[in-house]
Amino acid sequence: NAGVTQTPKFQVLKTGQSMTLQCAQDMNHEYMSWYRQDPGMGLRLIHYSVGAGITDQGEVPNGYNVSRSTTEDFPLRLLSAAPSQTSVYFCASSYDRGEGKLFFGSGTQLSVL
Amino acid sequence: GQQVMQIPQYQHVQEGEDFTTYCNSSTTLSNIQWYKQRPGGHPVFLIQLVKSGEVKKQKRLTFQFGEAKKNSSLHITATQTTDVGTYFCAGPPGAQKLVFGQGTRLTINP
Repeated sequence: NAGVTQTPKFQVLKTGQSMTLQCAQDMNHEYMSWYRQDPGMGLRLIHYSVGAGITDQGEVPNGYNVSRSTTEDFPLRLLSAAPSQTSVYFCASSYDRGEGKLFFGSGTQLSVL
Repeated sequence: GQQVMQIPQYQHVQEGEDFTTYCNSSTTLSNIQWYKQRPGGHPVFLIQLVKSGEVKKQKRLTFQFGEAKKNSSLHITATQTTDVGTYFCAGPPGAQKLVFGQGTRLTINP
């Protein structure tokens, strides 16, 4: 099994550009989430989903959109990139509706110039 | 909102020394989880503690969950270079969310 797959691994954007970070899992997990990791800040929850068609905001949702049309995929959209969104982004999934063990993807390192 | 605080932020030890990181929550947690992130890698689940006062061991790693279910610790005995990385605790403030501490970055002098 591939687990949680994120693409791309690296991305450089200019301020104001938009893009989508892709996340797919093949473990049939209902729960999926996006975190961003910044030095000294740990992992902060951006958005999460408990199943297809259901999404909700985490701690730092501003500037990001998500949708969940299938169980497998949970893309994260940056609407108008800002330098403050320079970060490492991790997608994670869980079989336990978000309170149990999280399986993480390998991450996307995003730089916004 | 719920906060999970972790100390220390950094710890450098000589190989063979012990290491401990502490996690404190502002609210009672239904469970506490620990993750390890190697440099350049992604967080990997280590363990979950559920019961008040619970202690679990994984080889040289000992995990404790406080009696009030608001704090936890991870202790590594006789560190090895393979222990290098950042250790995170995480707890659910409620349903469907997992909040992470800031992490403790462990470096080891061989």
